[in-house]
Amino acid sequence: DGGITQSPKYLFRKEGQNVTLSCEQNLNHDAMYWYRQDPGQGLRLIYYSQIVNDFQKGDIAEGYSVSREKKESFPLTVTSAQKNPTAFYLCASSSLLSGGFTDTQYFGPGTRLTVL
Amino acid sequence: GIQVEQSPPDLILQEGANSTLRCNFSDSVNNLQWFHQNPWGQLINLFYIPSGTKQNGRLSATTVATERYSLLYISSSQTTDSGVYFCAVPFTGGGNKLTFGTGTQLKVEL
Repeated sequence: DGGITQSPKYLFRKEGQNVTLSCEQNLNHDAMYWYRQDPGQGLRLIYYSQIVNDFQKGDIAEGYSVSREKKESFPLTVTSAQKNPTAFYLCASSSLLSGGFTDTQYFGPGTRLTVL
Repeated sequence: GIQVEQSPPDLILQEGANSTLRCNFSDSVNNLQWFHQNPWGQLINLFYIPSGTKQNGRLSATTVATERYSLLYISSSQTTDSGVYFCAVPFTGGGNKLTFGTGTQLKVEL
């Protein structure tokens, strides 16, 4: 089946630890995104990537890092520098459009991260 | 950057009722997307609608780009329609990024 997978579904972290969230897509999309959602809130962009080996910061990149070594994969690391990491993390992907247009984004099922 | 406001923030319906959700945005846009987030957190894209009207089953959406708003209509609501509805528009400055609205939390009761 084509789609986006995220793992794990639930993740518990002790303070001071780094954790990595996985995101894989088989939609052959060039662009991938990471969002953070806090309870009762909308989505905020953490990082995005339009091509392998290149990525840009979103609105709330501090305390997070990413890599894009393969087109299909865009892992997110939540570092110990992130002061309040407990949240729901969503990965998305889309085709790239030129001319300032944005294509439909498709989302994975999300990872719920809790800091103990 | 562009501001995206949705109303109402919360809505409770009896099953079978109709509803209209609104999305206002502060700047001109070349497309708009509507999403439904189910109670388990999964976001599903409902419509990609830069202008005009589209229909998909019991749902339809209208975007009036010149007046900077979009409407999502839900007819004959069902309990499975419960969740949060978000609209999203391209990020100011482009880059294939989206700015999401504040969301409308919908609960459909029997």
